[in-house]
Amino acid sequence: QKEVEQNSGPLSVPEGAIASLNCTYSDRGSQSFFWYRQYSGKSPELIMSIYSNGDKEDGRFTAQLNKASQYVSLLIRDSQPSDSATYLCAVKSPGGYNKLIFGAGTRLAVHP
Amino acid sequence: GAGVSQTPSNKVTEKGKYVELRCDPISGHTALYWYRQSLGQGPEFLIYFQGTGAADDSGLPNDRFFAVRPEGSVSTLKIQRTERGDSAVYLCASSPAGTTNTGELFFGEGSRLTVL
Repeated sequence: QKEVEQNSGPLSVPEGAIASLNCTYSDRGSQSFFWYRQYSGKSPELIMSIYSNGDKEDGRFTAQLNKASQYVSLLIRDSQPSDSATYLCAVKSPGGYNKLIFGAGTRLAVHP
Repeated sequence: GAGVSQTPSNKVTEKGKYVELRCDPISGHTALYWYRQSLGQGPEFLIYFQGTGAADDSGLPNDRFFAVRPEGSVSTLKIQRTERGDSAVYLCASSPAGTTNTGELFFGEGSRLTVL
């Protein structure tokens, strides 16, 4: 079992719709969770972090965390073609530095 | 520079050759990381430097891989006797002091290594 699992996609949604991206992780002791966006041929960039159960909203993005179910999700409201990218879920390893375990990513395609 | 700079952007080499990949982090960032990303996969941790020392090298695949950061700024990832399975994008990332638990890594554009 991989430590961080995501559906590879592609997830195709029409412009203006809500895109829902999901991630599960295996280490029940994990405390810190992140979503990175990676455009094709580019490097990953951090878009959301979440540490507590529940929802965290930032603009059109909402991260959701359920530690009991070991489940993290990212919702993108009013999806735009510019949101088309691969979304990487990452879990921080224990320790005082940013050693992240990434999932394989979900490719999102937003069509006009 | 404004961001993390990596050179070369592309490197094609033959099996068995030695390669060096260079990373120049954001000025003032004390933490530096190397990750490797294979096609269709997420980045995979290789090594972490805090200052000049390698604080965690648990992700290096084997002893053909080595990295240094002699002055606490620029880092070089060295791969000996390259194999076709080493082909990947090698990503360097840095983060400033005091953000070691935020999960925020500033990635460079990567060095794409192709071993023929």
